[in-house]
Amino acid sequence: EAGVVQSPRYKIIEKKQPVAFWCNPISGHNTLYWYRQNLGQGPELLIRYENEEAVDDSQLPKDRFSAERLKGVDSTLKIQPAELGDSAVYLCASSLGQQQFFGPGTRLTVL
Amino acid sequence: QKEVEQNSGPLSVPEGAIASLNCTYSDRGSQSFFWYRQYSGKSPELIMSIYSNGDKEDGRFTAQLNKASQYVSLLIRDSQPSDSATYLCAPLKIVGTYKYIFGTGTRLKVLA
Repeated sequence: EAGVVQSPRYKIIEKKQPVAFWCNPISGHNTLYWYRQNLGQGPELLIRYENEEAVDDSQLPKDRFSAERLKGVDSTLKIQPAELGDSAVYLCASSLGQQQFFGPGTRLTVL
Repeated sequence: QKEVEQNSGPLSVPEGAIASLNCTYSDRGSQSFFWYRQYSGKSPELIMSIYSNGDKEDGRFTAQLNKASQYVSLLIRDSQPSDSATYLCAPLKIVGTYKYIFGTGTRLKVLA
């Protein structure tokens, strides 16, 4: 069974530029999560989807971050414009039931 | 007070010894508990889940849960150098929300 797929794996951009991350969850997993992980910290939830509905986006900085999950399968997370403090690893995860599985992540560096 | 507290370590144990990793949580609304292993530069990997008080064993791993004390632990028997990683504790809050709350992790070093 294929795991959670994310792309790109690495991204380096200059501040104020836009960036987008893509995630394809494990087949059949209707719950999808986007997390941000800073160095030395645990993952922090940005947004959770149940199928195509964003059911928890309370931690998503909505002035610059947006996300979508069209058709309830793959998802895109966008930052526009990026700031220096957005440098982190962005993790996508999916679950069916309570067991959650992570993708490899996208390491974002904002210069 | 942090919602999930873990000793950041590093916890150093000799090869073959038992490694004991501890986690306390503050929210009694947490019902299920998960342990993730994260190698440096990699994403978290689910290794154990526990839902009720007591012990749960899976190979060399044993998870222990005490909801009254709001304490969950992970024991790794016969520790190997390949177990060297950061171990993240993640209670799942389901009262008023549905969210995994991750600790900052404990870094384990198994010395050959």
